[in-house]
Amino acid sequence: AQSVTQPDIHITVSEGASLELRCNYSYGATPYLFWYVQSPGQGLQLLLKYFSGDTLVQGIKGFEAEFKRSQSSFNLRKPSVHWSDAAEYFCAVATTYNNNDMRFGAGTRLTVKP
Amino acid sequence: NAGVTQTPKFQVLKTGQSMTLQCAQDMNHNSMYWYRQDPGMGLRLIYYSASEGTTDKGEVPNGYNVSRLNKREFSLRLESAAPSQTSVYFCASSRDLSNQPQHFGDGTRLSIL
Repeated sequence: AQSVTQPDIHITVSEGASLELRCNYSYGATPYLFWYVQSPGQGLQLLLKYFSGDTLVQGIKGFEAEFKRSQSSFNLRKPSVHWSDAAEYFCAVATTYNNNDMRFGAGTRLTVKP
Repeated sequence: NAGVTQTPKFQVLKTGQSMTLQCAQDMNHNSMYWYRQDPGMGLRLIYYSASEGTTDKGEVPNGYNVSRLNKREFSLRLESAAPSQTSVYFCASSRDLSNQPQHFGDGTRLSIL
């Protein structure tokens, strides 16, 4: 079965600094990949997704992610972090175009220093 | 613009008690889902309903039952609660099974003593 690993449990960055959150997946073929964000006390919101085509994917709120097949990675990036970006971020992988197949990583909590 | 509404937001139960978590969506979505979220783990799918009248097991269905009452509502029932079911439960919906994004509710925090 597919799985996803987020190596960093907690990351702290200063406001205005760049951000990269790591995600590694395990699956034999090309997966479908997602990044979600969860603000405290709320449900998840989709930031971006990769199905095929261009390996650099643009999402909402200024985020982007790059699919690297050779590294089995799908890292999330943002050039300049805002205080409102403080949240928990989840990477997810699916093997089919079905929501029931999706597996989530354990999450990375982002703290933004003023 | 409610989206996905879950009730209650918080609940404390004793071991062996039963409870139903309610979920309703107002987006005319066909598919609905129940997840649990535990510390240090990502969301895990408990049950889902691809469309009105159908339900299927997800990754961790044991100890739960679901009912798709109508197109809007999808409830999750714990018949005999156990401490291992202490978790945050999320309901989600999507236009259909193959459509992202899923729209999530704000969660129900459930503690079982």
